[in-house]
Amino acid sequence: GENVEQHPSTLSVQEGDSAVIKCTYSDSASNYFPWYKQELGKGPQLIIDIRSNVGEKKDQRIAVTLNKTAKHFSLHITETQPEDSAVYFCAASKAAGGGNKLTFGTGTQLKVEL
Amino acid sequence: DVKVTQSSRYLVKRTGEKVFLECVQDMDHENMFWYRQDPGLGLRLIYFSYDVKMKEKGDIPEGYSVSREKKERFSLILESASTNQTSMYLCASSQQGGGYGYTFGSGTRLTVV
Repeated sequence: GENVEQHPSTLSVQEGDSAVIKCTYSDSASNYFPWYKQELGKGPQLIIDIRSNVGEKKDQRIAVTLNKTAKHFSLHITETQPEDSAVYFCAASKAAGGGNKLTFGTGTQLKVEL
Repeated sequence: DVKVTQSSRYLVKRTGEKVFLECVQDMDHENMFWYRQDPGLGLRLIYFSYDVKMKEKGDIPEGYSVSREKKERFSLILESASTNQTSMYLCASSQQGGGYGYTFGSGTRLTVV
């Protein structure tokens, strides 16, 4: 089955700096890669996703890049703000058939310091 | 506002008890999922369902069962709760097919004593 590794497990940045979280996946058939943000006491919330026919996707201060050859994808947050502090999860799945089963990374605790 | 609702935020149960965790979604989604979340281990899939009365085992189904009698409701059952099942349980739903993000509930923090 799919295996997703995520690094780093914790990340501390100064407000206004950029943050990068990286994930690798094992199944070359995976073609859907979402990112989730989990704030304290809440369930994870989808913040951005990318499909394998696209190399990069951007939404305001958040961007995701995908390298299919190397089987890795990354989340980039620019101009970080205190409200970006949360746990971030990457995930991967194959967009085919029923089930839509996502395999998640182990999470990154991002802390944005003032 | 679309949502996935988990019936309890916090539960404390005794070892050996049968425990029911309930999840309801209002988005008419075909797929529903139960994950458990533990520090350092991320989100691990327990069971999922892609249709009413259909279920499939995830990565860690041992000690759990599920029920999906109606499209909007997916229940997780701990047949005989044990202390190693103390965890955060997250329910999610998504549209049919692949390539769709999940909508998660807020989670149930279960403590088994």
